[in-house]
Amino acid sequence: AQKITQTQPGMFVQEKEAVTLDCTYDTSDQSYGLFWYKQPSSGEMIFLIYQGSYDEQNATEGRYSLNFQKARKSANLVISASQLGDSAMYFCAMRERTAGGTSYGKLTFGQGTILTVHP
Amino acid sequence: DADVTQTPRNRITKTGKRIMLECSQTKGHDRMYWYRQDPGLGLRLIYYSFDVKDINKGEISDGYSVSRQAQAKFSLSLESAIPNQTALYFCATSDPTRGGMEEQYFGPGTRLTVT
Repeated sequence: AQKITQTQPGMFVQEKEAVTLDCTYDTSDQSYGLFWYKQPSSGEMIFLIYQGSYDEQNATEGRYSLNFQKARKSANLVISASQLGDSAMYFCAMRERTAGGTSYGKLTFGQGTILTVHP
Repeated sequence: DADVTQTPRNRITKTGKRIMLECSQTKGHDRMYWYRQDPGLGLRLIYYSFDVKDINKGEISDGYSVSRQAQAKFSLSLESAIPNQTALYFCATSDPTRGGMEEQYFGPGTRLTVT
């Protein structure tokens, strides 16, 4: 079973509107972290936002917010007031503890969602 | 200057050739990673190193090897390149002292084509 699932291969949004990118995850660990990265057409990976599994508040970073629903195992990214520069590939990723339980280990990525912002 | 650099940025090579991709970082991080990106598959982990003496296989290590020459340098080798290793390769680093927040910082990527 995939650990991170992004079910939207592509999304379209009108400039200045909000858009939600979906991400669901699968883990049996109680302590984990969820990340969103942006990859513009130039190819670099840009860290956007982080949510810890024990964080009580949804994470926010400027126009980005993370709608974290722990019981549903979802961590959707909300981009408010979309801009043309938001057009990019977006990846959801999860970090779990290593098998020894002492370290937060490595990231597992979803397949990505391509967001296109129309003027 | 970039904190995580990768060389070369683009490379075209022939089947059977040995090739090395290099990664250097000035962030002072202990942890380094190599990923490959294929369309529709996201990023998949090839190898990771939590310090100079600790190297671990990721989910797709077959056909690859790595060397951690120093805290700042982590190289990925394809001993005998094959066409399905054509991909975009990323190096990344992270700082374990940041606990769960330990975000990864990525290099600009190396686009490798094996003909």
